Amino acid sequence: SQTIHQWPATLVQPVGSPLSLECTVEGTSNPNLYWYRQAAGRGLQLLFYSVGIGQISSEVPQNLSASRPQDRQFILSSKKLLLSDSGFYLCAWSVRGQAEQYFGPGTRLTVT
Amino acid sequence: QKEVEQNSGPLSVPEGAIASLNCTYSDRGSQSFFWYRQYSGKSPELIMFIYSNGDKEDGRFTAQLNKASQYVSLLIRDSQPSDSATYLCAVGDNYGQNFVFGPGTRLSVLP
Repeated sequence: SQTIHQWPATLVQPVGSPLSLECTVEGTSNPNLYWYRQAAGRGLQLLFYSVGIGQISSEVPQNLSASRPQDRQFILSSKKLLLSDSGFYLCAWSVRGQAEQYFGPGTRLTVT
Repeated sequence: QKEVEQNSGPLSVPEGAIASLNCTYSDRGSQSFFWYRQYSGKSPELIMFIYSNGDKEDGRFTAQLNKASQYVSLLIRDSQPSDSATYLCAVGDNYGQNFVFGPGTRLSVLP
């Protein structure tokens, strides 16, 4: 069966510091991968999606970036965090060609 | 701008009753429709998806889709306190692209 991992589970970072969040999927090949952010009391916002290694599409302009160095690995990064970057970051995957998305456990980021 | 709307709630129902959650969407070209359950502090869990007009049943859950009215609903029969959560409606195309989530409806099942 498929499993999706995210780490770390929680993170507290000062403003201006860098960020690296990692997501890996097991038990499937060539998945579509997604990064979402959920701000406190708000809905899910799609940040990036990827249909293959090195293929990244950005949905919103921001100071975040994403990379997919391996087929089942998706990384979210920032060079300098802003207070507004605080939130619950969720990685999701779907089978290539199918629409159902499955979420990982998430990383709760607090920027202080 | 594609939009998905839901009543924020909270929707309170007594244990054993039917909970009815509603969602409307703006993009008439949408092809796939999903319901996720999110417990407080946890990630969303996919509980139902539907692609064709009509009803789809899975255990105590029934998803209903009316593309002409751009409306999708989720019925939860025999509601349990463990069903208390926020329910997110999501709408997309056939290929996992253009996913848009609604803000969620908070459901409270009272024992």
